[in-house]
Amino acid sequence: DAGVIQSPRHEVTEMGQEVTLRCKPISGHNSLFWYRQTMMRGLELLIYFNNNVPIDDSGMPEDRFSAKMPNASFSTLKIQPSEPRDSAVYFCASNLNGSPLHFGNGTRLTVT
Amino acid sequence: EDQVTQSPEALRLQEGESSSLNCSYTVSGLRGLFWYRQDPGKGPEFLFTLYSAGEEKEKERLKATLTKKESFLHITAPKPEDSATYLCAVSSMEYGNKLVFGAGTILRVKS
Repeated sequence: DAGVIQSPRHEVTEMGQEVTLRCKPISGHNSLFWYRQTMMRGLELLIYFNNNVPIDDSGMPEDRFSAKMPNASFSTLKIQPSEPRDSAVYFCASNLNGSPLHFGNGTRLTVT
Repeated sequence: EDQVTQSPEALRLQEGESSSLNCSYTVSGLRGLFWYRQDPGKGPEFLFTLYSAGEEKEKERLKATLTKKESFLHITAPKPEDSATYLCAVSSMEYGNKLVFGAGTILRVKS
């Protein structure tokens, strides 16, 4: 299996622009998680889906952030408009029924 | 209040110098405690899951143990390739399927 696939690996954008991060979970996994990692706050859970349904979005910072999972093999995290404080590494992870999470290699977002 | 606390923040060892990393947690209804390794530019990679106090798991030079309030990751005779950030995370009844991560310990092993 190719593992969790995220794109792009790096994204540099200007403040105010829309950013879309993409994730393909491991085939057969039924839960998908979006995490954000910064030096100051470590790994923070933003939102997670179970069977394509958002279960807990309490970690989403504000309305500028939105996430979708239109099917079992694809999810997006969108930031609109982006701000410099959104700069971080965003990870997607997936698992099956509470098994250990498998992480992608992340998207490093820089907002200037 | 932090639910998962890791110490030390950073650790420098000489090759072959054994040591331990600590992860203490305050959640109630622990479902599992997870150890991950993270290399620069990569996502966390799963190492172990521990479910109950007294449980131990081993993999090569790593051994993880669990008590009711903390977990230790023992590293025996480390090598430079063991250098990484080690993350601890907990799953609990109060958090459902979510994992709450500690801040990690940055380990550097010098030859």
